[in-house]
Amino acid sequence: DAKTTQPPSMDCAEGRAANLPCNHSTISGNEYVYWYRQIHSQGPQYIIHGLKNNETNEMASLIITEDRKSSTLILPHATLRDTAVYYCIVRAAGGTSYGKLTFGQGTILTVHP
Amino acid sequence: NAGVTQTPKFQVLKTGQSMTLQCAQDMNHEYMSWYRQDPGMGLRLIHYSVGAGITDQGEVPNGYNVSRSTTEDFPLRLLSAAPSQTSVYFCASSYRQDNSPLHFGNGTRLTVT
Repeated sequence: DAKTTQPPSMDCAEGRAANLPCNHSTISGNEYVYWYRQIHSQGPQYIIHGLKNNETNEMASLIITEDRKSSTLILPHATLRDTAVYYCIVRAAGGTSYGKLTFGQGTILTVHP
Repeated sequence: NAGVTQTPKFQVLKTGQSMTLQCAQDMNHEYMSWYRQDPGMGLRLIHYSVGAGITDQGEVPNGYNVSRSTTEDFPLRLLSAAPSQTSVYFCASSYRQDNSPLHFGNGTRLTVT
């Protein structure tokens, strides 16, 4: 699976959009981009995933560049409860790898009042 | 649905003791796995199972045993606990298909003295 690079930490004001970048320059054609987050002392929580197209759900939006070498997770109206570690993960489709996620260090997002 | 339930939440063991960390899910997920999380190391895969009766090793399997006799349960056994196994343990499950997101439990915090 391709390696990802994320900034170690970011700040955001409550009510503003939080834009979390992820670099995955070695991504290959069959690899998906997943985002999870981990709120202090809880288990990781799935947020969103995508392959080529931009995706949106009730939690967030995922913007993937046309060359697929980077992506941005957007939390449109951040709240204090969005303070967490956010993980960007790249994983290939197919085979038996569906559950094998490689977690890096992630980005610590702090939402300020 | 209760989702993924892990018990106990906290446990203290002495070196050499054995114990079983319990994990149960009620989502009829075929795939289940165990991760450990240590400071500065991210989450690392210990063992996983793609269905009842089938288990395989992950990245850090030494010192741990698993079995999968039912779809719902995936216990993790420490046969002879060591201080290096002090960690937070997370169980996760998903459908056995591409792009099915992993659902995590809230973890068991284990201390081995």
